[in-house]
Amino acid sequence: EAGVAQSPRYKIIEKRQSVAFWCNPISGHATLYWYQQILGQGPKLLIQFQNNGVVDDSQLPKDRFSAERLKGVDSTLKIQPAKLEDSAVYLCASSLEGLLVGTQYFGPGTRLTVL
Amino acid sequence: AQSVTQPDIHITVSEGASLELRCNYSYGATPYLFWYVQSPGQGLQLLLKYFSGDTLVQGIKGFEAEFKRSQSSFNLRKPSVHWSDAAEYFCAVGYGGATNKLIFGTGTLLAVQP
Repeated sequence: EAGVAQSPRYKIIEKRQSVAFWCNPISGHATLYWYQQILGQGPKLLIQFQNNGVVDDSQLPKDRFSAERLKGVDSTLKIQPAKLEDSAVYLCASSLEGLLVGTQYFGPGTRLTVL
Repeated sequence: AQSVTQPDIHITVSEGASLELRCNYSYGATPYLFWYVQSPGQGLQLLLKYFSGDTLVQGIKGFEAEFKRSQSSFNLRKPSVHWSDAAEYFCAVGYGGATNKLIFGTGTLLAVQP
């Protein structure tokens, strides 16, 4: 079974530029998550989708971050414009159990450096 | 509010020695508890999880963890560490009832010396 796929793996941009990350979850997983992991910290949830609907985006900085999950499969996370403090690893995860607590499976992440 | 504390930022053990990584949580209801491992440049891999039942949980790679409600702890153990175990370890608590969410600790970086 293929795991969670993410691209690109690395991205370097200058502040005020825009960037987009892509995630393809495990086939059949209805729930998809985007996390931000700043160096030295644990992952922090940015947004949670159930199929193509948003369940929780309370910690997403909506003035600069946006995310979508069209057709309930792939998802993109966009930052526009980027700030220095957005430098982090962005992790995508998916879960089969839907909204009940279950196991989340993580992709390899995208390491973003903002200069 | 829910929280997870991993008091040890960095631990060094000798290969073949035993290992215990500490995790304490704060959660009002029955917690769902997880340990993940993250190798450099990799995503998080699930080691083990506790939802209910036997409080001693076995995981992959020879790891185990014990849920102690009285101490609000879920410590990770391994009897004999291998050099390949060097990585960062994250404890997480699942919460929300109707929403599948995780709160992570800040992680413990494990170094293994020969």
